[in-house]
Amino acid sequence: QKEVEQNSGPLSVPEGAIASLNCTYSDRGSQSFFWYRQYSGKSPELIMFIYSNGDKEDGRFTAQLNKASQYVSLLIRDSQPSDSATYLCAVFSNAGKSTFGDGTTLTVKP
Amino acid sequence: DAGVIQSPRHEVTEMGQEVTLRCKPISGHNSLFWYRQTMMRGLELLIYFNNNVPIDDSGMPEDRFSAKMPNASFSTLKIQPSEPRDSAVYFCASTPDNTGELFFGEGSRLTVL
Repeated sequence: QKEVEQNSGPLSVPEGAIASLNCTYSDRGSQSFFWYRQYSGKSPELIMFIYSNGDKEDGRFTAQLNKASQYVSLLIRDSQPSDSATYLCAVFSNAGKSTFGDGTTLTVKP
Repeated sequence: DAGVIQSPRHEVTEMGQEVTLRCKPISGHNSLFWYRQTMMRGLELLIYFNNNVPIDDSGMPEDRFSAKMPNASFSTLKIQPSEPRDSAVYFCASTPDNTGELFFGEGSRLTVL
């Protein structure tokens, strides 16, 4: 079992729809959770982080964390073609390092 | 403020040659990470430093790989000798106070023929 698993893609949604990206992790001691966006041929960039159970909203993005279920998700509301990218879930451990999932590729169709 | 700076951006070399990748972290960031990204294996942590000291190198694939951080503003990742399976994009990232909020460089795309 991988330490961080993401729902297999690719994911395709129409413009204006909600895109839902999911991630599960195996280390119960993990404290911090991050979502990075990576455009093709570019480097990952941080878009959201969450530390506490519940929801965290930032503009069109909402991160959700459920530590009991070891589950993290990212919702993108009113999806735009510019949101088309690969989304990487990262889990930061007490050992001081981040482990990444394989990513989910999102395509938003105009 | 300049971001994480990596060089070279692209490197094409032949099997058996030595490869050196360089990284300048963001000023004031005290943790530095080297990751490798391939289609097959995704983004893998190779090694990370905290205050210039290597903390975890368990991701370094073989003795052919070595990394150094002689000061707070410079790190190198060396592969000697290089092999075709080392072909990947190598990312350097830094973070303040090792919070998990990583700032990535643009990456070095390595092709070993």
